[in-house]
Amino acid sequence: GQNIDQPTEMTATEGAIVQINCTYQTSGFNGLFWYQQHAGEAPTFLSYNVLDGLEEKGRFSSFLSRSKGYSYLLLKELQMKDSASYLCAPMDSNYQLIWGAGTKLIIKP
Amino acid sequence: GAVVSQHPSWVICKSGTSVKIECRSLDFQATTMFWYRQFPKQSLMLMATSNEGSKATYEQGVEKDKFLINHASLTLSTLTVTSAHPEDSSFYICSARSGAEGQETQYFGPGTRLLVL
Repeated sequence: GQNIDQPTEMTATEGAIVQINCTYQTSGFNGLFWYQQHAGEAPTFLSYNVLDGLEEKGRFSSFLSRSKGYSYLLLKELQMKDSASYLCAPMDSNYQLIWGAGTKLIIKP
Repeated sequence: GAVVSQHPSWVICKSGTSVKIECRSLDFQATTMFWYRQFPKQSLMLMATSNEGSKATYEQGVEKDKFLINHASLTLSTLTVTSAHPEDSSFYICSARSGAEGQETQYFGPGTRLLVL
């Protein structure tokens, strides 16, 4: 079957760094996406990895290891507005995104 | 990034009425759009894949006669919730694929919150 595993909730301090891990199992693989979703809003695209390694985009970086079925999202210099759910979504062989429940990130001052 | 709009953003209706939700890709053409439903504090649930010029592909457990999808153009897909009931109250979100083949990204509309009384 297809499965996504992320921590349910994480807490971090403003200005700090946090890493959100994601392990996945899918039928085929065509890349992995990270989305941010604020409460009551639709998801917004953060990053896309299809090859192994680290992709850096400003304060956010995303890492992928296809052999391990593992990805992480790294958020630096945390701001209060980063409080949101972060969704790891691999794309299967049918180019369909597989969604988990996401990780709720709480930022404290 | 690509922009996707949805209309309306909020709907309140009486039980038994039908509600139409529009999803538009504003600055790109989307041959494929997706319709999701999300209940509070739950993950996104894919309802159907909407393909321009052909019938939608529904996920298991989603009634095609209740959730009518029309993808008449490369920039517009509509979802009609027919004979809505209170249990259909949810957050409905569409997304559209944009990008080169093999590197498509899904961009989401802002969502439509439906409340059936």
